[in-house]
Amino acid sequence: DGGITQSPKYLFRKEGQNVTLSCEQNLNHDAMYWYRQDPGQGLRLIYYSQIVNDFQKGDIAEGYSVSREKKESFPLTVTSAQKNPTAFYLCASSIRGISGYTFGSGTRLTVV
Amino acid sequence: AQSVTQPDIHITVSEGASLELRCNYSYGATPYLFWYVQSPGQGLQLLLKYFSGDTLVQGIKGFEAEFKRSQSSFNLRKPSVHWSDAAEYFCAVEGGSEKLVFGKGTKLTVNP
Repeated sequence: DGGITQSPKYLFRKEGQNVTLSCEQNLNHDAMYWYRQDPGQGLRLIYYSQIVNDFQKGDIAEGYSVSREKKESFPLTVTSAQKNPTAFYLCASSIRGISGYTFGSGTRLTVV
Repeated sequence: AQSVTQPDIHITVSEGASLELRCNYSYGATPYLFWYVQSPGQGLQLLLKYFSGDTLVQGIKGFEAEFKRSQSSFNLRKPSVHWSDAAEYFCAVEGGSEKLVFGKGTKLTVNP
């Protein structure tokens, strides 16, 4: 079945370490997105990519980096520059043009 | 820039009662509007969407929503709530950028 896979589901890291969250889709969607979710804050856009080898910053890109080398994959790196990285991270994809997003099941990152 | 307001942070209803979740958006032209549902620790699932045409939209799980341009609203309704509807609900708008902007969510509790 087609869908989006985020891994791992839970991730623990020490403060000061970079960490990469995986997002893979087999829906043949062109666009992919990373959102951060904090309690009571809704979803905030970190980065998005509408085509391979191209991506744009969202509203809260500082301290994060991404790559889009393959259509299926859009990994997110949380760097040590991100001051408050503990959160729930959601990846999504869509067909170009609006049809709504398909979401992965999320990765909960805890930095200690 | 487009924005979404969900005025109710938390709503409690009894099982079998009717439900209405409010959503107000800000966008100059006709927006594309969405409602998503999220169970704890999970990704978001699309309930329904409005692009154009009939202002009353039917979705999955017995939900419907009505687009009212004059009130800039897109409220979600269900005639009879089931205990399994307990979750968090997000309204979202897209206004020409192919990016969704989400409200902060409304958490629904269902009493037996």
